[in-house]
Amino acid sequence: AQSVTQLDSQVPVFEEAPVELRCNYSSSVSVYLFWYVQYPNQGLQLLLKYLSGSTLVKGINGFEAEFNKSQTSFHLRKPSVHISDTAEYFCAVTPLMDSSYKLIFGSGTRLLVRP
Amino acid sequence: NAGVTQTPKFQVLKTGQSMTLQCAQDMNHEYMSWYRQDPGMGLRLIHYSVGAGITDQGEVPNGYNVSRSTTEDFPLRLLSAAPSQTSVYFCASRQGGTSHEQYFGPGTRLTVT
Repeated sequence: AQSVTQLDSQVPVFEEAPVELRCNYSSSVSVYLFWYVQYPNQGLQLLLKYLSGSTLVKGINGFEAEFNKSQTSFHLRKPSVHISDTAEYFCAVTPLMDSSYKLIFGSGTRLLVRP
Repeated sequence: NAGVTQTPKFQVLKTGQSMTLQCAQDMNHEYMSWYRQDPGMGLRLIHYSVGAGITDQGEVPNGYNVSRSTTEDFPLRLLSAAPSQTSVYFCASRQGGTSHEQYFGPGTRLTVT
């Protein structure tokens, strides 16, 4: 079975400051990793994904994440946030070779960017 | 392309009533799924389908029914609504193969009183 932990339920940060949203996972098999963003009253949008290759992946809107297999982590970072980045961010995994394509989500981190 | 569409956006039901949440996609995706989102719990998979005529249960299937008669549509039926089914429901779709990107609809906010 797989599980995803996002320890921070809310992260307040000032505009133009850097931010890191933490994600750790547990799995007995290899997984693909994802970050999704949910703006208020909207569905989820894919920010970035790690399937294989370079452990540093870049996504949309200036976000990047680094896969660390030994620490089973996939933290999301942005060097300078904008007010428009205020949203909820979800880390998710899917097991390799899983025909159900199911996504296992963390509980989410609400990023609140203040002026 | 409209992507993934869901209707209705909002719904209030009384305990014991039944209803169907509609989901459609125009991307010819093989795979479709339903999730529910509850505060502090992320999204949890209810049912999924890997193609027309094929459905299977996810993590929290009890009280819900699905069918997939066409590639485009994947309705979710609540058979006898309960207050525990108050949630936001998201439909998602993806193409098979190596893409691994799932596209989500805008959601249906359901309240059961």
